Amino acid sequence: GESVGLHLPTLSVQEGDNSIINCAYSNSASDYFIWYKQESGKGPQFIIDIRSNMDKRQGQRVTVLLNKTVKHLSLQIAATQPGDSAVYFCAENIRGTYKYIFGTGTRLKVLA
Amino acid sequence: DTAVSQTPKYLVTQMGNDKSIKCEQNLGHDTMYWYKQDSKKFLKIMFSYNNKELIINETVPNRFSPKSPDKAHLNLHINSLELGDSAVYFCASSQSPAYGYTFGSGTRLTVV
Repeated sequence: GESVGLHLPTLSVQEGDNSIINCAYSNSASDYFIWYKQESGKGPQFIIDIRSNMDKRQGQRVTVLLNKTVKHLSLQIAATQPGDSAVYFCAENIRGTYKYIFGTGTRLKVLA
Repeated sequence: DTAVSQTPKYLVTQMGNDKSIKCEQNLGHDTMYWYKQDSKKFLKIMFSYNNKELIINETVPNRFSPKSPDKAHLNLHINSLELGDSAVYFCASSQSPAYGYTFGSGTRLTVV
């Protein structure tokens, strides 16, 4: 399943399925993007990043895709596990600044 | 050792009071930040210091005043607390904008 992050939507997936979380970023001058995972009661944690000169980057069970034409970022999680349940944020860094702008977040619920 | 530590973790206080939140990082990073996360999980940058110099100062009421005594510490002082200040406040640090943030675990502020 997939979801667009507005007003903290919830994406529910069955354990073992793949998850796709989407993000529309705002600034065409952004050149570096990060996905963060925030578990309940904790601060956001870095998952994976991608620079604007790439369109795909893979990590362990996670893949980030970047489409600069439509200013869209997605996070794919393979074989989703209960420990993946969290709120996921995309963040964009505007070139030449220290500022990161965070998306509205998507809550991922993994069903046993 | 916790990389970015905030104190206190929870803070309940009455309207009109003045309170401070402290943050310390032991990562040797040059830049520190304060973010506010509202009840809908939206993360918004408030301030940033680079090597004790204020570099980001978003549209925040002047009741909020950051102070950085050295590059490992960034404190947030809030005067005349209002109900709308209730939120989770996150401190973060980064070596440079090119590498994203390390977040603290947050301070949940409740104004009653």
